Amino acid sequence: DAGVTQSPTHLIKTRGQQVTLRCSPKSGHDTVSWYQQALGQGPQFIFQYYEEEERQRGNFPDRFSGHQFPNYSSELNVNALLLGDSALYLCASRPWGGTEAFFGQGTRLTVV
Amino acid sequence: KQEVTQIPAALSVPEGENLVLNCSFTDSAIYNLQWFRQDPGKGLTSLLLIQSSQREQTSGRLNASLDKSSGRSTLYIAASQPGDSATYLCAVNSAGSYQLTFGKGTKLSVIP
Repeated sequence: DAGVTQSPTHLIKTRGQQVTLRCSPKSGHDTVSWYQQALGQGPQFIFQYYEEEERQRGNFPDRFSGHQFPNYSSELNVNALLLGDSALYLCASRPWGGTEAFFGQGTRLTVV
Repeated sequence: KQEVTQIPAALSVPEGENLVLNCSFTDSAIYNLQWFRQDPGKGLTSLLLIQSSQREQTSGRLNASLDKSSGRSTLYIAASQPGDSATYLCAVNSAGSYQLTFGKGTKLSVIP
């Protein structure tokens, strides 16, 4: 079981650019959530996807968008990058209705 | 709005000591509480999950307790080892919500 896998591991982008991060959930999981973790802070919920629909969204602007594919994998897109978007982006998966969340290793995004 | 607080923010102990990490939350209407471990720059590893109907969970040297009515959880680590050095995060899944709300974590250093 490969667990939750994220790509890329590290990414450097310029302010104003757009970025796409990818996540493959743990085998048997169909629900994917994304979190942003700034340095020294706890992760903050961005949104959750199930059945290719956004089910809940945290307090993030529309520049943050996502997608879920029929194979349950997911993408996080961020437009018009700001320096403040620099963070570790974490993907979590669980079965729909399941209680325990499993996280990937994260993507470290640096905006310069 | 659910808020999670972890005390202390940092803790340094000699190897072999038993220790307790604290987590408090403001809204007792939760589905479950999860403790995670995070190594520097890495993703989250799930340690223990406590359902709202449970009082405690144990895994090896780890024991987590939950007092939902008072909004508190503790993580007890027995016979600490240098390999336990990491940041420990507490997260609650509130009733009626899909998201996990995290504390800022406790950074633990176990000195050989």
